Amino acid sequence: DTAVSQTPKYLVTQMGNDKSIKCEQNLGHDTMYWYKQDSKKFLKIMFSYNNKELIINETVPNRFSPKSPDKAHLNLHINSLELGDSAVYFCASSQPAGEQFFGPGTRLTVL
Amino acid sequence: DQQVKQNSPSLSVQEGRISILNCDYTNSMFDYFLWYKKYPAEGPTFLISISSIKDKNEDGRFTVFLNKSAKHLSLHIVPSQPGDSAVYFCAANPSYGGSQGNLIFGKGTKLSVKP
Repeated sequence: DTAVSQTPKYLVTQMGNDKSIKCEQNLGHDTMYWYKQDSKKFLKIMFSYNNKELIINETVPNRFSPKSPDKAHLNLHINSLELGDSAVYFCASSQPAGEQFFGPGTRLTVL
Repeated sequence: DQQVKQNSPSLSVQEGRISILNCDYTNSMFDYFLWYKKYPAEGPTFLISISSIKDKNEDGRFTVFLNKSAKHLSLHIVPSQPGDSAVYFCAANPSYGGSQGNLIFGKGTKLSVKP
């Protein structure tokens, strides 16, 4: 059983397009996260979301928006993609103050 | 401005010997630290953690040491095995404000354990 899953695993698209990455967790966790790992390998938090509260990293452009249809899903929508958005995006989930479980990552390449 | 630093990008160790991975942090408000292990094309997996009220936590072959005065922690793996070869990330969990759970990661250290 996959605990945290992401689709797609690879995403190649043109600049200016709008794309979404889906994330699902079957752990019953209350909090979900999106992280970005850039070309320098830094893994940085983008958002955390626990049903009612969204905490946004202030450095994330507003072209990025998380959408949670229910507690088990937190999708990432990206508008007007730019070259600098190329990275690996990881979804994660946890109980409050618990360790985070990560998905396998989505490698986004913007051409 | 890196709040969590792993200054060694790579480490090579012989099988059976000890691996020591180091991590420094700058913010004295961090009170919970974690180590994650990452294989290529996979997400990070939780390895071990330590609260700032402790200076040591042990789980099998893995031990994490915390030196709060030096703002330094280390992960010891004894004995090292080839399957331990991976990238190890140190992370801090800030407890202040609304940021709890928004882990701050170091850049990672790539460990290679040679048979």
